[in-house]
Amino acid sequence: AQTVTQSQPEMSVQEAETVTLSCTYDTSENNYYLFWYKQPPSRQMILVIRQEAYKQQNATENRFSVNFQKAAKSFSLKISDSQLGDTAMYFCAFMNRDDKIIFGKGTRLHILP
Amino acid sequence: NAGVTQTPKFRILKIGQSMTLQCTQDMNHNYMYWYRQDPGMGLKLIYYSVGAGITDKGEVPNGYNVSRSTTEDFPLRLELAAPSQTSVYFCASSYSIRGNQPQHFGDGTRLSIL
Repeated sequence: AQTVTQSQPEMSVQEAETVTLSCTYDTSENNYYLFWYKQPPSRQMILVIRQEAYKQQNATENRFSVNFQKAAKSFSLKISDSQLGDTAMYFCAFMNRDDKIIFGKGTRLHILP
Repeated sequence: NAGVTQTPKFRILKIGQSMTLQCTQDMNHNYMYWYRQDPGMGLKLIYYSVGAGITDKGEVPNGYNVSRSTTEDFPLRLELAAPSQTSVYFCASSYSIRGNQPQHFGDGTRLSIL
């Protein structure tokens, strides 16, 4: 079965620091998509960043970047210059060849002033 | 832009009651999805639809039904509410089902079964 594991249930960092959220996944597929979603207290699900497995270059979106290690099946999210508005639950997700998305259990991130 | 609209935002049901969670999108997206999010967990796919008249089961479809009579609407029906269905329900839509098109989510419906 395909699984997504986020080993850090909760993290706290000071504002302006850099933080890395871990994610590993298990699949036998070769082509797939990986995502990080942010869920603030408002409960909205917001796509933060997306990575296509056949692309070796790590995706970046402003202060957000990923470290995609395909062989290790690892997909960590780095948030640089963290801001108070980054406080949220972060979900790592995997889209399989059946086009269904599998979510991890999430990491609750607190940005401290 | 309305995006994906879910109603109601909150609802309390008694065991055995039925209800329909409404979802509508105004982006002309072909693909729509229903997820549930249990406390401390990620989202799990209940049902999805690739277009009007076409629906398919996701990971946790038992106890739910869907229909897709129009491109805009994708209601989720609970026939006999059970305490295990207490959850937050999210509807989402996307232009295509491939990962290069992002899913747009509604604000969620918090449902409690007592």
